[in-house]
Amino acid sequence: GAGVSQSPSNKVTEKGKDVELRCDPISGHTALYWYRQSLGQGLEFLIYFQGNSAPDKSGLPSDRFSAERTGGSVSTLTIQRTQQEDSAVYLCASSLDSGFNYGYTFGSGTRLTVV
Amino acid sequence: QQQVKQSPQSLIVQKGGISIINCAYENTAFDYFPWYQQFPGKGPALLIAIRPDVSEKKEGRFTISFNKSAKQFSLHIMDSQPGDSATYFCAASMRAGNMLTFGGGTRLMVKP
Repeated sequence: GAGVSQSPSNKVTEKGKDVELRCDPISGHTALYWYRQSLGQGLEFLIYFQGNSAPDKSGLPSDRFSAERTGGSVSTLTIQRTQQEDSAVYLCASSLDSGFNYGYTFGSGTRLTVV
Repeated sequence: QQQVKQSPQSLIVQKGGISIINCAYENTAFDYFPWYQQFPGKGPALLIAIRPDVSEKKEGRFTISFNKSAKQFSLHIMDSQPGDSATYFCAASMRAGNMLTFGGGTRLMVKP
């Protein structure tokens, strides 16, 4: 597709379960980002992948969070032993790694609810 | 540490009025300043962006004003329309790395 695709769009899980969130970036975009948006809040950076470089994991809130990007394309964000405070919209974005006036293209997000 | 501060948190404007949203940043290494628009249930979408070598950029009804010495930039929406009702985020990044740091967002409502 032409845009960033995220799945599932909604996920309800029980506290303590593991969840996997998927992101399909725009073809040819070398940079991929995960952000978290809590209700009525701004966007909190989680992790950033750029080409074949080691990812910038500085925003991951705890070791329960991890992400990988396979083949420089699809990315999966995994949250282990989910907690209620993990409830949020998880947004994925991709961008071109060239030029200065790059912009992110965001997906519509995965709304995660931990009950 | 919040490196980009955005105000106001919410804003109500009459149709045809001017909407003004302000942002201030701390990191002088920032050199790219975009604004994003987000509708409910959607991801943010790039609206307009500016570099620090210009003081103003205009695209249609949307204008960014940039004050490098004050480390502030703002979004002006002229002739605001009900369709502009959305949440707006300012952001900033450094040339060397393109991770964006976002402001807290402004919820704009334009009344008909």
